[in-house]
Amino acid sequence: AQSVTQPDIHITVSEGASLELRCNYSYGATPYLFWYVQSPGQGLQLLLKYFSGDTLVQGIKGFEAEFKRSQSSFNLRKPSVHWSDAAEYFCAVGATGGGGADGLTFGKGTHLIIQP
Amino acid sequence: DVKVTQSSRYLVKRTGEKVFLECVQDMDHENMFWYRQDPGLGLRLIYFSYDVKMKEKGDIPEGYSVSREKKERFSLILESASTNQTSMYLCASSSNAPTIYFGEGSWLTVV
Repeated sequence: AQSVTQPDIHITVSEGASLELRCNYSYGATPYLFWYVQSPGQGLQLLLKYFSGDTLVQGIKGFEAEFKRSQSSFNLRKPSVHWSDAAEYFCAVGATGGGGADGLTFGKGTHLIIQP
Repeated sequence: DVKVTQSSRYLVKRTGEKVFLECVQDMDHENMFWYRQDPGLGLRLIYFSYDVKMKEKGDIPEGYSVSREKKERFSLILESASTNQTSMYLCASSSNAPTIYFGEGSWLTVV
């Protein structure tokens, strides 16, 4: 079974600084990988996804993530954060070949705090 | 854009009540899901459905049931609500590709 670890429960970043959120996964084959963002009281919004091909993927709101097979990682980055980026971020992994029916396995989330 | 609508955003129910959480998606997706979200525990899958009238247990199905009579609608049922079911419930859907789209969530408080 697949699993996802987000080692940082909370991260505090100054506005305008760069950001990296860590995600490590466990899966036997090449997985489908996702990052979602959740603003307070809201559902989850898809930021970006990796299925295959170029290991650096671009997402919405200026985010990008890099798939590193050797490290089983899919870290999320942004060069300059804005106060509106304060939210909960979830990394998720999906099984290949499941046709989407099995759902995704989520990490426990990283809470991003932006300080002025 | 994919639209997943959870009709009830905030509910307060009494212990022992039967609770229905309704979810509708407008993208003709085959798969629908119910997750529960709790602080420190992340998202946990309760049930999912890959077709009308089909359902599969997720990681934490105890105390819940589901119904999918129409492709676009997936209901979560708490037969007898308990205080430990106080949580945020997220409905989601996907086509036969693994990207999942979420609704806004339903906050349930059981008193």
